[in-house]
Amino acid sequence: GQNIDQPTEMTATEGAIVQINCTYQTSGFNGLFWYQQHAGEAPTFLSYNVLDGLEEKGRFSSFLSRSKGYSYLLLKELQMKDSASYLCAVTPSGTYKYIFGTGTRLKVLA
Amino acid sequence: ETGVTQSPTHLIKTRGQQVTLRCSSQSGHNTVSWYQQALGQGPQFIFQYYREEENGRGNFPPRFSGLQFPNYSSELNVNALELDDSALYLCASSPTDSSYEQYFGPGTRLTVT
Repeated sequence: GQNIDQPTEMTATEGAIVQINCTYQTSGFNGLFWYQQHAGEAPTFLSYNVLDGLEEKGRFSSFLSRSKGYSYLLLKELQMKDSASYLCAVTPSGTYKYIFGTGTRLKVLA
Repeated sequence: ETGVTQSPTHLIKTRGQQVTLRCSSQSGHNTVSWYQQALGQGPQFIFQYYREEENGRGNFPPRFSGLQFPNYSSELNVNALELDDSALYLCASSPTDSSYEQYFGPGTRLTVT
């Protein structure tokens, strides 16, 4: 089976750095995605990791350790517009569906 | 390039009724996946269609069914609606069935009373 764990809520200050962790257990694994979802809107793609290591895209970076079943999303220079839910999702081996975590609601305070 | 579109935006139905939700894929995409997202939860995979055939299904009962048309647009049908079916229904399209990246539509908010 598959299980994905993320913190439910996090709070950070504008301009700061925040790290959102995700741990997963799957019977097989193709890759890990991070999506951003503002309230009432569709998820939008942030990053995709298939190999161990850090992927950097501007203010956002994502890290993966396959041996530890662990990923994190790092957001730098936080802005008010970064207040959203951040969804971690894995694609199990042999499928192209996403298994999502419950998401982490991030509040950025002025 | 047109993104993924869904209709209607919002819908209110009564328990026991049937509903049809629609999705138009992003241009050039032949694979569509449907997800159910309850309030405060992550999306749950319902099923995927590739070239008009079901290509995988999640843990949803048979009263959840779908179709994909030759133009790759898709429908999600839910029969015998239950209160717990109230959720945001998301459609996501992919360039092929072997592509991991999915592009989500804005969703249909279904309320069952």
